[in-house]
Amino acid sequence: DAGVIQSPRHEVTEMGQEVTLRCKPISGHDYLFWYRQTMMRGLELLIYFNNNVPIDDSGMPEDRFSAKMPNASFSTLKIQPSEPRDSAVYFCASNPGTDYGYTFGSGTRLTVV
Amino acid sequence: DAKTTQPPSMDCAEGRAANLPCNHSTISGNEYVYWYRQIHSQGPQYIIHGLKNNETNEMASLIITEDRKSSTLILPHATLRDTAVYYCIVRVDYYQLIWGAGTKLIIKP
Repeated sequence: DAGVIQSPRHEVTEMGQEVTLRCKPISGHDYLFWYRQTMMRGLELLIYFNNNVPIDDSGMPEDRFSAKMPNASFSTLKIQPSEPRDSAVYFCASNPGTDYGYTFGSGTRLTVV
Repeated sequence: DAKTTQPPSMDCAEGRAANLPCNHSTISGNEYVYWYRQIHSQGPQYIIHGLKNNETNEMASLIITEDRKSSTLILPHATLRDTAVYYCIVRVDYYQLIWGAGTKLIIKP
């Protein structure tokens, strides 16, 4: 199993541009999570899906952020328009619906200049 | 609201046992304790979890006090590759993990 796959690994964009982050969860994992990590705030849950349906998006910071999961093997996190304060590492994680831990991807390091 | 308290940093000699403490004095009866670690520039990695009983797996052991107000993660024979930030987490809802600042563990040769 290749694990949770995120792309791109690094993204540098200009303020105001649209940014799309991608995630492929582990096959058979029904839960998918998007996290953001910064030095100031640590790891924050943005949104999570169960069976492709968004369950809790209360962590999404603003309307500029949106997430979709069109099928069981793909999810996107979109920021439009991007701002410098969105600079962070964004992680995707998945879980098969058990008490065992999440499997995280390697993250996307986003820099908005 | 911080659910857990951990020392910001610890050192351990290679080959020795690393004991990482965590206080979670406000934990509720049905809330699990989870441990993850994050090696530099990587995603967090699940280590172990427990509710009341002590747990052991191939990576570590988790000792939870009887009153459940604190726990200790034990890495029995630390190696240089165990250098990482270790997070002690209380699972509030089924999929809500409250992440703290963690303990930066440095394994020294």
